[in-house]
Amino acid sequence: GENVEQHPSTLSVQEGDSAVIKCTYSDSASNYFPWYKQELGKRPQLIIDIRSNVGEKKDQRIAVTLNKTAKHFSLHITETQPEDSAVYFCAASRGTYKYIFGTGTRLKVLA
Amino acid sequence: EAGVTQFPSHSVIEKGQTVTLRCDPISGHDNLYWYRRVMGKEIKFLLHFVKESKQDESGMPNNRFLAERTGGTYSTLKVQPAELEDSGVYFCASSPVWWTGGSSGANVLTFGAGSRLTVL
Repeated sequence: GENVEQHPSTLSVQEGDSAVIKCTYSDSASNYFPWYKQELGKRPQLIIDIRSNVGEKKDQRIAVTLNKTAKHFSLHITETQPEDSAVYFCAASRGTYKYIFGTGTRLKVLA
Repeated sequence: EAGVTQFPSHSVIEKGQTVTLRCDPISGHDNLYWYRRVMGKEIKFLLHFVKESKQDESGMPNNRFLAERTGGTYSTLKVQPAELEDSGVYFCASSPVWWTGGSSGANVLTFGAGSRLTVL
């Protein structure tokens, strides 16, 4: 079946450094790619998303890039802060909310 | 605006017992989804309601799982009888429409905090 691979599973960075999380999807019909952040004990929250007709999208310190040919998309967080510590999930869909999620990345920002 | 509410937050049951999880979506959201994350793996789609109708239940693992949404408001997910492999976090999510509308505006899929199920 279709799947999304996400790497790394854990990531530790020093405060102020950048963090990059990478995902690869298998369904070539995917056209919508959201990223969710889940802090401990809280609900997953949408932080940024990108559609297949766009190659890059930025929102303050976070950005997402998409390479449709390679079926790769990545989350970039710059100037990391302790409150960025969380589990991040990438997902892919064909334009509906039936998402195929990655396995998650636990990000730790060390003060 | 109240978010998506799930109850209980954590349930511990013995193998063979029954558990019912409840989800209250955001008021006015016709679309309700159940997802599950098992033991640090990916979050997997279980099913999608449009109002009270099951639009897509292709992700339901087996017939031990029964989801209902009577009246098109809250939803329940019953596991009967529970098995060890059913342990995980069950997420509910809701949206006003079934197609993705981007991060701006109202067309966003909103998740609840999840119900953690532990089967011993």
